Amino acid sequence: EAGVTQFPSHSVIEKGQTVTLRCDPISGHDNLYWYRRVMGKEIKFLLHFVKESKQDESGMPNNRFLAERTGGTYSTLKVQPAELEDSGVYFCASSQEDRGPVTDTQYFGPGTRLTVL
Amino acid sequence: AQSVTQLGSHVSVSEGALVLLRCNYSSSVPPYLFWYVQYPNQGLQLLLKYTSAATLVKGINGFEAEFKKSETSFHLTKPSAHMSDAAEYFCAVRPNFGNEKLTFGTGTRLTIIP
Repeated sequence: EAGVTQFPSHSVIEKGQTVTLRCDPISGHDNLYWYRRVMGKEIKFLLHFVKESKQDESGMPNNRFLAERTGGTYSTLKVQPAELEDSGVYFCASSQEDRGPVTDTQYFGPGTRLTVL
Repeated sequence: AQSVTQLGSHVSVSEGALVLLRCNYSSSVPPYLFWYVQYPNQGLQLLLKYTSAATLVKGINGFEAEFKKSETSFHLTKPSAHMSDAAEYFCAVRPNFGNEKLTFGTGTRLTIIP
């Protein structure tokens, strides 16, 4: 079974440019999460999709970030325009539907390292 | 609200020595607790998780962690370190219901000394 995949693995852009990150969750996983780690700090939650709906977007930093999950499969995270402080590693994770007492593990992708110059 | 504190951003142990990585949590609701590991140039991999069953949890690669409610701790241990254990380790917490977000600690980078 294929794991969570992310594209690209690295992206270097200049301030003011636009970048789109893609995440393909594990097949059949309804839950998809985006997290970000800024250098030296903790991994922080950005948002959570259940199928194509945004369940929780409380972690999105500002309106320069736009996440979509059309059709409830893959997701994209667009940053427009990018700023220096957006640099970091963006992780995507997916999990199955919650089934009560047994928590459903979040499986993480390898991350996209974004550098804004 | 939930939070995680990992004491020691860098830990070095000799090969064959005990590994102890510390994690303390704060949670307003009963938590589920996780340890993830990130090997160089790889994504996060689940090591083990506590989901309110046994308080001593065994994970992959010989790691285990004990949930201590009175101490609000979930420290990660391994009796004998291997060179292959060199990685960054993250403790995380989430509520014990729903598919809620994870709250992570700042991570501990483990170095193994030959």
